[in-house]
Amino acid sequence: EGQLLESGGGWVQPGGSLRLSCEASGFSFSSYVMHWVRQAPGKGLEWVSSIVEGGTVTYYEDSVEGRCTSSRDNSRNTVYLQMNSLRVEDTAIYYCAKGSGRGDFDIWGQGTMLIVSS
Amino acid sequence: ILLTQSPATLSLSPGEGATLSCRASQSVATYLAWYQQKPGQAPRLLISNASNRATGIPARFSGSGSGTDFTLTISNLEPEDFAVYFCQHGSQWPITFGQGTRLEIK
Repeated sequence: EGQLLESGGGWVQPGGSLRLSCEASGFSFSSYVMHWVRQAPGKGLEWVSSIVEGGTVTYYEDSVEGRCTSSRDNSRNTVYLQMNSLRVEDTAIYYCAKGSGRGDFDIWGQGTMLIVSS
Repeated sequence: ILLTQSPATLSLSPGEGATLSCRASQSVATYLAWYQQKPGQAPRLLISNASNRATGIPARFSGSGSGTDFTLTISNLEPEDFAVYFCQHGSQWPITFGQGTRLEIK
């Protein structure tokens, strides 16, 4: 059974930067698209970014486009989300999720909390 | 693609059946998934490709639909089924989720 473990969350002031990490185990990491999904406190789920298997193509939600960069290191089974120019509205739990190959997410991490506040 | 879930809240008793709806603003074919989320937990995939139960999901959960209209049906509700349910499309980028349906104990 595959597992995902996020890290890197914390408290950041508006305008600051942070890098989230997600380490995978139990499946062939390099064979799957990986995703980031966030959930603001008390709110629903919001897709943030996707990165294809080789890392050559990335996709972003409009509100993070230009401020966030997804990358992956297949030798370390790890995907990253670099977040810059952080805003208060970026405050959320950030989940890493494995793409199933069918357009959905079949394995989720436990999430890492990012708080953007002055 | 906008996904609209209804109702926002559904109040039922254990043993009853639940019907949750998800409507897409344009066709997503069958690239529609359903997730269950309990407080303090990550979402869990229930249904993939509109109607395929994910590994380990009980048979009381079923999905149907294609195009723009989809349904998640939960028969004979168990106490552990009371949670929030989200639909999600994966037909194109950007991927989007519905706003969720809260299934609460009556």
